[in-house]
Amino acid sequence: EVQLVESGGGLVQPGGSLRLSCAASGFTVSSNYMSWVRQAPGKGLEWVSVIYSGGSTYYADSVKGRFTISRDNSKNTLYLQMNSLRAEDTAVYYCARVPFNTGYYYMDVWGKGTTVTVSS
Amino acid sequence: EIVMTQSPATLSVSPGERATLSCRASQSVSSNLAWYQQKPGQAPRLLIYGASTRATGIPARFSGSGSGTEFTLTISSLQSEDFAVYYCQQYNNWPVLFTFGPGTKVDIK
Repeated sequence: EVQLVESGGGLVQPGGSLRLSCAASGFTVSSNYMSWVRQAPGKGLEWVSVIYSGGSTYYADSVKGRFTISRDNSKNTLYLQMNSLRAEDTAVYYCARVPFNTGYYYMDVWGKGTTVTVSS
Repeated sequence: EIVMTQSPATLSVSPGERATLSCRASQSVSSNLAWYQQKPGQAPRLLIYGASTRATGIPARFSGSGSGTEFTLTISSLQSEDFAVYYCQQYNNWPVLFTFGPGTKVDIK
């Protein structure tokens, strides 16, 4: 079964750091594009970051310079290192698969999400 | 930067009725448009990609149309499980960046 399971969320103080993990099963992370999307409480979806199969990475302006996306091919796991956290980073963070072999780019498999709360 | 808008913000529909949701891009995105459904406390679910292709397992009552800047998601006969928030999402070609619309909430009339 194709599945994504996020972990690593929690309560952190402003200025702190957190690393989110997303364990994949049923497919190979490194053969796909993988993305992080977040949703602040009561708000809509916001794209955060993507890593290409070739390793290139891209970020939303709101997190550029503070967040780093990466993957461990041996563990088939995606990561999001979040530094210099702000209150506005409070959200549910989802990881998602972006299949790229259709000529279109969309997110077809999503994890259930992990909650990050930035507060003192 | 491409900005996505959706209308209406809320759509009240009776079960069995047709629902038509709109999504507009600030500049052409060709057919690079996807639709998602999200229920409270759940992750989004892919419905449509490439503006009009239903994702695996999505019922035929969901259909997508449009290209360029104007897109529509139609639910032909609303079922109880269809009451949810619907998001459109565009993607640029290179580098691949994603933008979501603000969402349309479909609730029971």
